[in-house]
Amino acid sequence: NAGVTQTPKFQVLKTGQSMTLQCAQDMNHNSMYWYRQDPGMGLRLIYYSASEGTTDKGEVPNGYNVSRLNKREFSLRLESAAPSQTSVYFCASSGQGAPYGYTFGSGTRLTVV
Amino acid sequence: AQSVTQPDIHITVSEGASLELRCNYSYGATPYLFWYVQSPGQGLQLLLKYFSGDTLVQGIKGFEAEFKRSQSSFNLRKPSVHWSDAAEYFCAVGAEGAQKLVFGQGTRLTINP
Repeated sequence: NAGVTQTPKFQVLKTGQSMTLQCAQDMNHNSMYWYRQDPGMGLRLIYYSASEGTTDKGEVPNGYNVSRLNKREFSLRLESAAPSQTSVYFCASSGQGAPYGYTFGSGTRLTVV
Repeated sequence: AQSVTQPDIHITVSEGASLELRCNYSYGATPYLFWYVQSPGQGLQLLLKYFSGDTLVQGIKGFEAEFKRSQSSFNLRKPSVHWSDAAEYFCAVGAEGAQKLVFGQGTRLTINP
């Protein structure tokens, strides 16, 4: 099925460990986004990529890096995980641009202990 | 700055009752408006969207929303809720040329049997 695929679905890390969250879309969308969702905080934008070859910071970029590997893939890296990064992470993509809405992945639940 | 407010963090309604979820936005340009639903443990799914034209828009699962420019609102309604409507609902706003959507904090809907 066409859509946005995120891996892994669940992950537990120890403080200080690193990991990369993967996101791939097969809809030929130009724009891709990484959000985190925390109770009572809604969705907060971490980074986004308006088109292949570009990336920009969102509201909460500290502690994260991203790579737009190609048009399909947009990865999120935690270099040194902290308990404050315990969250659910969502990747999204948009074909016509953000104003026309997103397609979301099913999320990655990350726990940092 | 653009913002979206969902005044109700949590709403409980009885099965079969009508539902209205509130959304107010602050946006300098003509807004593009969205409602997304997130079932437990799932990603976000688009319910409906408004770009222009008829201010009453129909979505999936029997939902509708009305755009009221004078009130800067885009409230979501359903005449009769089902137990399967229990979820979290997010309002979002964008505009032509914007790089990203702005999301509200979400409203969690509980259905009493």
